[in-house]
Amino acid sequence: DTGVSQDPRHKITKRGQNVTFRCDPISEHNRLYWYRQTLGQGPEFLTYFQNEAQLEKSRLLSDRFSAERPKGSFSTLEIQRTEQGDSAMYLCASSHAGPFRDQYFGPGTRLLVL
Amino acid sequence: SQKIEQNSEALNIQEGKTATLTCNYTNYSPAYLQWYRQDPGRGPVFLLLIRENEKEKRKERLKVTFDTTLKQSLFHITASQPADSATYLCALEEGYGQNFVFGPGTRLSVLP
Repeated sequence: DTGVSQDPRHKITKRGQNVTFRCDPISEHNRLYWYRQTLGQGPEFLTYFQNEAQLEKSRLLSDRFSAERPKGSFSTLEIQRTEQGDSAMYLCASSHAGPFRDQYFGPGTRLLVL
Repeated sequence: SQKIEQNSEALNIQEGKTATLTCNYTNYSPAYLQWYRQDPGRGPVFLLLIRENEKEKRKERLKVTFDTTLKQSLFHITASQPADSATYLCALEEGYGQNFVFGPGTRLSVLP
């Protein structure tokens, strides 16, 4: 399967713990996006990378969130000191660079903070 | 920043009818607009892209229109089937080379 994969698919954690999610994009895609989605809402942009460079980060993203894409391939999203409000589906997507590009989404990681 | 509204949270239609979903945006017209389908517990799947200089785009039973004067896109599914039941999201790019903004989605149910 050459689609976008995410790991884990589900994560339950206690408030205050740190969690890390991984995304493996489609190999020839140089753009990688992270989104958060809560029930009944569309995906909300968090950050994106072009190759290994993090080009934009949402103003809504607190400093507890950090993302990396060290070699321009897979990416990790870490949430430190999790809060109950962090409970959501975290989606990763990849695309080619350039205009008029569609995004290919992974299945998401569902996070529940108790 | 852009804000996207989609006409209704949920839409129920009878099988065989045409479903029409609306996407309205608030600020400047984007260079293009996209529509995605999302099934429960899954990531969105790209359906169609329409550019600002295109009035209409078709793909099989799907049709998208883009009216930059009204700041609106319409998404039509003709001869709808129960398998078309899903949430449909519209999205646009905030600025060239920047992030994407998604609407809240419309949950479509096609009743047999």
